[in-house]
Amino acid sequence: EAGVAQSPRYKIIEKRQSVAFWCNPISGHATLYWYQQILGQGPKLLIQFQNNGVVDDSQLPKDRFSAERLKGVDSTLKIQPAKLEDSAVYLCASSSGLGNEQFFGPGTRLTVL
Amino acid sequence: AQSVTQLDSQVPVFEEAPVELRCNYSSSVSVYLFWYVQYPNQGLQLLLKYLSGSTLVKGINGFEAEFNKSQTSFHLRKPSVHISDTAEYFCAVSDPFTSTNAGKSTFGDGTTLTVKP
Repeated sequence: EAGVAQSPRYKIIEKRQSVAFWCNPISGHATLYWYQQILGQGPKLLIQFQNNGVVDDSQLPKDRFSAERLKGVDSTLKIQPAKLEDSAVYLCASSSGLGNEQFFGPGTRLTVL
Repeated sequence: AQSVTQLDSQVPVFEEAPVELRCNYSSSVSVYLFWYVQYPNQGLQLLLKYLSGSTLVKGINGFEAEFNKSQTSFHLRKPSVHISDTAEYFCAVSDPFTSTNAGKSTFGDGTTLTVKP
């Protein structure tokens, strides 16, 4: 069974530029999560999808972050414009249902200069 | 609102010694509990989970955890650690039962386990 795929693995941009991350979850998993993990901290949920609908985006900075999950499969997370404090690892995870164990991708390490 | 507190940010231990990583959670409802491990430059992977039933759960790599409802704790243990257990460990709680939480998982800030030879 293929795991959660993410790309790119690494990205370096300058502040005020835009960036996009892509995630392909495990086949058949209805729930998809995007997390931000700052060095030394645990993952912080940015947005949670159930199929192609948003379940929770209460911690997503909507003035600069956006995410979509068209067709209820893969998903993209965008930051526009980026700030220095956005430097972090962005993790995508999927699960077979709400509250169940999550399967994580390898993450995208973003550095904003 | 649910929250997770991992009581130790760093735990150094010698190889073959026992270890306990502590996790307390706060929630007003029944929850699912998880421990994940993150090796350097890798994503998180599940070590073990508690959904219901026996309060002692066994996971991969010889780890186990005990759910204590009265103390709202879910401590992770291993009787004898190896160098390869050096990693970051995260405790997480989720509530799949109430619509307001919608199955959202909340993670602790992690415990760095360093196993020394």
